[in-house]
Amino acid sequence: DVKVTQSSRYLVKRTGEKVFLECVQDMDHENMFWYRQDPGLGLRLIYFSYDVKMKEKGDIPEGYSVSREKKERFSLILESASTNQTSMYLCASSLPGQGTSYEQYFGPGTRLTVT
Amino acid sequence: KQEVTQIPAALSVPEGENLVLNCSFTDSAIYNLQWFRQDPGKGLTSLLLIQSSQREQTSGRLNASLDKSSGRSTLYIAASQPGDSATYLCAVRRGAQKLVFGQGTRLTINP
Repeated sequence: DVKVTQSSRYLVKRTGEKVFLECVQDMDHENMFWYRQDPGLGLRLIYFSYDVKMKEKGDIPEGYSVSREKKERFSLILESASTNQTSMYLCASSLPGQGTSYEQYFGPGTRLTVT
Repeated sequence: KQEVTQIPAALSVPEGENLVLNCSFTDSAIYNLQWFRQDPGKGLTSLLLIQSSQREQTSGRLNASLDKSSGRSTLYIAASQPGDSATYLCAVRRGAQKLVFGQGTRLTINP
């Protein structure tokens, strides 16, 4: 079974802090994704990575950066956390390309509260 | 811009009933469509994936259909059980890698 793990289930940080959210997958997937999920807005893509050191902006990248130094690990960084970044953050991974192999597998989520 | 809509936002049915969840999308140029389940406070679990060339996929009591030309997909759940209570999300794949999600249908199965 594909396993995607996230470093924390719950996190509370103060405004202005630098925050790291980490995601690890064990299936050698090329693609990794970070989403945030908010009531009434659904899931929105923040960034994704299609290979080590490669990244592409999603729909809402402002205020975030990412790092992918190893294939299995994808980090989301909030350079200076703000209260409007309070949300549920979900990481996902998948194989590349088309075909039935392209399912996205999700981690359990990190609920981040910025006070 | 691709938009995905799920109606209704919430549905409550008695145990044992068969039910259908709906998903519609505005741009028929999709690679595939995926149905997910999300339990409260948890991540997403993939249920079914339908390629753009397929009409339906089945897994156990679940059957998903796809009509690309009309921009619609349905998820059919047979003989519903209380354990099926969750939020169900559909997502279409656009471009090379990206999914666009609907806002989900919150399903409650009453014993």
